[in-house]
Amino acid sequence: EVQLLDSGGGLVQPGGSLRLSCAASGFTFSSYAMSWVRQAPGKGLEWVSSLSSSGGTPYYADSVKGRFTISRDNSKNTLYVQMNSLRDEDTAVYFCAKGGSNSVRTYYFDSWGQGTLVTVSS
Amino acid sequence: DIQMTQSPSTLSASVGDRVTITCRASLSISPWVAWYQQKPGKAPKLLIYDASSLEGGVPSRFSGSGSGTEFILTISNLQPDDFATYYCQQYNSYSTLTFGGGTKVEIK
Repeated sequence: EVQLLDSGGGLVQPGGSLRLSCAASGFTFSSYAMSWVRQAPGKGLEWVSSLSSSGGTPYYADSVKGRFTISRDNSKNTLYVQMNSLRDEDTAVYFCAKGGSNSVRTYYFDSWGQGTLVTVSS
Repeated sequence: DIQMTQSPSTLSASVGDRVTITCRASLSISPWVAWYQQKPGKAPKLLIYDASSLEGGVPSRFSGSGSGTEFILTISNLQPDDFATYYCQQYNSYSTLTFGGGTKVEIK
């Protein structure tokens, strides 16, 4: 069974930093693209960042480009996102998501973590 | 960036109804569209990928259709467990993925 366990959220002041982690199990982590998706309170889903299975070129939403860095450690089956220069508008539940298995294009999400809440406030 | 315009934003329906939700893309993206169901306080769940392929374990009352710029999620014979919020997502462009704004399906 695929499991994704998100962690690292918390309360941080504007301008601060936080690193989120996503521990994966139940599948060959190194074979799949992985992503972060967030959801502000009462709002819809917003894609944040994606990284290929090999950890090649990362992709970022314009709203986080230059402030967030996605990475992965395939030896530890773990996905990360380093979030710097945090703003009030970054307050959200952050989900890690596994790339799809059954299409030639794998940037849809067939499994999700439970989410971790990041609150940016003074 | 590709925009995904989802409608309606809210839908009131009864158990047994057939409901349709539409997503329109700002350019042709066929068939790279997925649909998700989300319940309050939970992570989204994949229903449909590649516009019309049903994810394993998803009931057959869910179906996806469409091409080009218009895509539809249909729920036939709406069940009590189906009252939730639904999102479309495009993955035509790897460098920028986009979700629709969501459709909340409420009990009439």
